[in-house]
Amino acid sequence: GENVEQHPSTLSVQEGDSAVIKCTYSDSASNYFPWYKQELGKRPQLIIDIRSNVGEKKDQRIAVTLNKTAKHFSLHITETQPEDSAVYFCAASTGGGADGLTFGKGTHLIIQP
Amino acid sequence: DAGVIQSPRHEVTEMGQEVTLRCKPISGHNSLFWYRQTMMRGLELLIYFNNNVPIDDSGMPEDRFSAKMPNASFSTLKIQPSEPRDSAVYFCASSLGPGAGDTQYFGPGTRLTVL
Repeated sequence: GENVEQHPSTLSVQEGDSAVIKCTYSDSASNYFPWYKQELGKRPQLIIDIRSNVGEKKDQRIAVTLNKTAKHFSLHITETQPEDSAVYFCAASTGGGADGLTFGKGTHLIIQP
Repeated sequence: DAGVIQSPRHEVTEMGQEVTLRCKPISGHNSLFWYRQTMMRGLELLIYFNNNVPIDDSGMPEDRFSAKMPNASFSTLKIQPSEPRDSAVYFCASSLGPGAGDTQYFGPGTRLTVL
């Protein structure tokens, strides 16, 4: 089955700086890669996703890149703000709306004022 | 839309008791997923359904766990008998389904504590 590795487990950055979280996956059949943000005591919420036919996707301060050859994808957050502090999870699936997600272990992002 | 609805939000029970968690997916969604979240193991897929049919239950820890989806608007996850190691947050999620959309929307979760 699919295995998703996520690094780092904790990331502390100064407010206004950029943050990068990296994930690797093992199953070459995976073609859907979402990122979820989870605040303490809340549900995971989708912030951005990418499919394998696209190398990069951007939504305001958030961007995701995908390298299918190397089987890794990354989340980039620019101009970080205090409200960006949360746990971020990457995930992978074979997509098509018909498959469960395999999650990474999460990254605790801390934005220092 | 009210989003994915789960009940109860919190459940405290004693070891050996039966626990039933409930989920109502977003109307019109044809895929439903059950996940479990713990500090040690993170977010794990337990089972998922497409069009009310269980597709993959390989994530279900053992025979004490069972899940049903009798209709498009309701699913249950049952643990019998419960054990302390089952303590976790259980999330239900739904998506449009096969060929219609990948995005999974999570419910608020049920925090289960087994004493």
